[in-house]
Amino acid sequence: EAGVVQSPRYKIIEKKQPVAFWCNPISGHNTLYWYRQNLGQGPELLIRYENEEAVDDSQLPKDRFSAERLKGVDSTLKIQPAELGDSAVYLCASSLRTDLNTEAFFGQGTRLTVV
Amino acid sequence: RKEVEQDPGPFNVPEGATVAFNCTYSNSASQSFFWYRQDCRKEPKLLMSVYSSGNEDGRFTAQLNRASQYISLLIRDSKLSDSATYLCAVRPYSGTYKYIFGTGTRLKVLA
Repeated sequence: EAGVVQSPRYKIIEKKQPVAFWCNPISGHNTLYWYRQNLGQGPELLIRYENEEAVDDSQLPKDRFSAERLKGVDSTLKIQPAELGDSAVYLCASSLRTDLNTEAFFGQGTRLTVV
Repeated sequence: RKEVEQDPGPFNVPEGATVAFNCTYSNSASQSFFWYRQDCRKEPKLLMSVYSSGNEDGRFTAQLNRASQYISLLIRDSKLSDSATYLCAVRPYSGTYKYIFGTGTRLKVLA
């Protein structure tokens, strides 16, 4: 079974430029998460989708970040314009909303460097 | 106070040693708990879920202490390959299904 797929794996952009990340969750997983992980820190939730609905986006910096999950499958996360402090690894994860002990599966992440 | 807290380490231990990590959580209503392992420049991967009665998987033992609001991970007979960052994750049950992670604890097993 294919895992969570993210692209690109790496991205280097200049500040003030836009950037987009793409995620394809595990087939059948209705919950999708975008996390940001800074060096030496744990993943921090940016936004969570239940199917196509964003149910938790309280940590998403809405002035520059946006996300969508059309048709409740793939998702994109966009930053416009990027700032130096946005350099981090952006992780997508998915899970089945069936019971409390269901784990989240992560993609390999997109490592963003803003210069 | 952070919702989930861990000692960042690093814990440097010799091969064969036993090492334990704790992770505290602030939401007493939390229901699900997990330990993830993250290798350098890789994504987190589930090591084990933590059940109320405690659970063991080979050299790894996870326990939950609800009264003191912490979970623990014990690694026996450490191997060089156990070197990684260990993240705890808490899934609070309040009608939401999100995972809150700690900062992770770095473990280095030395030859």
